[in-house]
Amino acid sequence: GQQLNQSPQSMFIQEGEDVSMNCTSSSIFNTWLWYKQDPGEGPVLLIALYKAGELTSNGRLTAQFGITRKDSFLNISASIPSDVGIYFCAPYSGAGSYQLTFGKGTKLSVIP
Amino acid sequence: DTEVTQTPKHLVMGMTNKKSLKCEQHMGHRAMYWYKQKAKKPPELMFVYSYEKLSINESVPSRFSPECPNSSLLNLHLHALQPEDSALYLCASSEGNHNSPLHFGNGTRLTVT
Repeated sequence: GQQLNQSPQSMFIQEGEDVSMNCTSSSIFNTWLWYKQDPGEGPVLLIALYKAGELTSNGRLTAQFGITRKDSFLNISASIPSDVGIYFCAPYSGAGSYQLTFGKGTKLSVIP
Repeated sequence: DTEVTQTPKHLVMGMTNKKSLKCEQHMGHRAMYWYKQKAKKPPELMFVYSYEKLSINESVPSRFSPECPNSSLLNLHLHALQPEDSALYLCASSEGNHNSPLHFGNGTRLTVT
């Protein structure tokens, strides 16, 4: 099966700092999705990436689809307390796939 | 607020009980999903319905039985569950085009005693 590695597993940062997390795999993907999950809630879609090399922003969030199609990163600039939560990468494995596989998640804690 | 509505939010059931989880979406999506999420773990795919037909069953035990009465509704019937089945059960929907993003509900927190 495909190996999907998300790092870091957890981060503690000061409010106002920038954050970076990434996912890597030995497999090629054609779509990368990034989700955030707050306690007691379902995952919420942050950014969707559909082309290798694509760089997309959503407010303070920026994500890129790696040129090799095997990786993606998510950056958060000027973090605020409400950024706290678990961030998941979730790539689709290929055309015709409904099987969305989630990374293990990055737990972000922001210290005011 | 999420556009995928799940009921109930919490459910406690014994191992001999029969219960059902319900999910509803009115976004016109044609694919619906059940995921299971244990504490501190990512969601794991259980079932996918595409155009009201079961297209993926990820080797889920038969004590979990999905049903899709129409394109807006998805049920998960539960019978003779085990304590290890306690988890957050998430419903999601997507447009039905391959690789379209999933939109999740807030889940049902299930406890099996």
